[in-house]
Amino acid sequence: DAGVTQSPTHLIKTRGQHVTLRCSPISGHKSVSWYQQVLGQGPQFIFQYYEKEERGRGNFPDRFSARQFPNYSSELNVNALLLGDSALYLCASSLPLAAYEQYFGPGTRLTVT
Amino acid sequence: GENVEQHPSTLSVQEGDSAVIKCTYSDSASNYFPWYKQELGKGPQLIIDIRSNVGEKKDQRIAVTLNKTAKHFSLHITETQPEDSAVYFCAARATSGGSYIPTFGRGTSLIVHP
Repeated sequence: DAGVTQSPTHLIKTRGQHVTLRCSPISGHKSVSWYQQVLGQGPQFIFQYYEKEERGRGNFPDRFSARQFPNYSSELNVNALLLGDSALYLCASSLPLAAYEQYFGPGTRLTVT
Repeated sequence: GENVEQHPSTLSVQEGDSAVIKCTYSDSASNYFPWYKQELGKGPQLIIDIRSNVGEKKDQRIAVTLNKTAKHFSLHITETQPEDSAVYFCAARATSGGSYIPTFGRGTSLIVHP
């Protein structure tokens, strides 16, 4: 079975622009979470979705938003990009919301210039 | 909220030696503690985890120990190999009460010299 997939792999944007990142969970997984990983640090939680509903939100500004589709894939949107948004954005999927194991995708490397 | 501290930030060992990475957590409600290995350019990969109802878990050369009273847990890698070189992250989270969000440590860069 395919693992978690994310697109695009790399992305370069200019300050003020908008970006959409995409994630497809492992088949059968209904929960998707998004994380931001800045170089040299651990992943920081952004959002969690389960059955198309937001179930958790981290300490990120309203410029960050996400949604989950009926096929459980997900999009992360970031508006008005800042230089500090440059990071690796990770998507993780799991079975039910309370499932212990989360499986991460390879991430999308976003560079804001 | 939960706070996870991880030490050391960098660990350099010779091939065949053992490596130990330690983490502490603050929230007594946390009861699930996964460890991830992240290689350059890749996402974190779950390598082992432990739940609060056990004190130790082993999987070949990797073991994790948990002390709930002291709120700390450790990753032990024996007979290290160059391919073990990567960044390792610990995490802690609760599995009940509505919050299933893990908090990660800052990572340990493990370097295994041939």
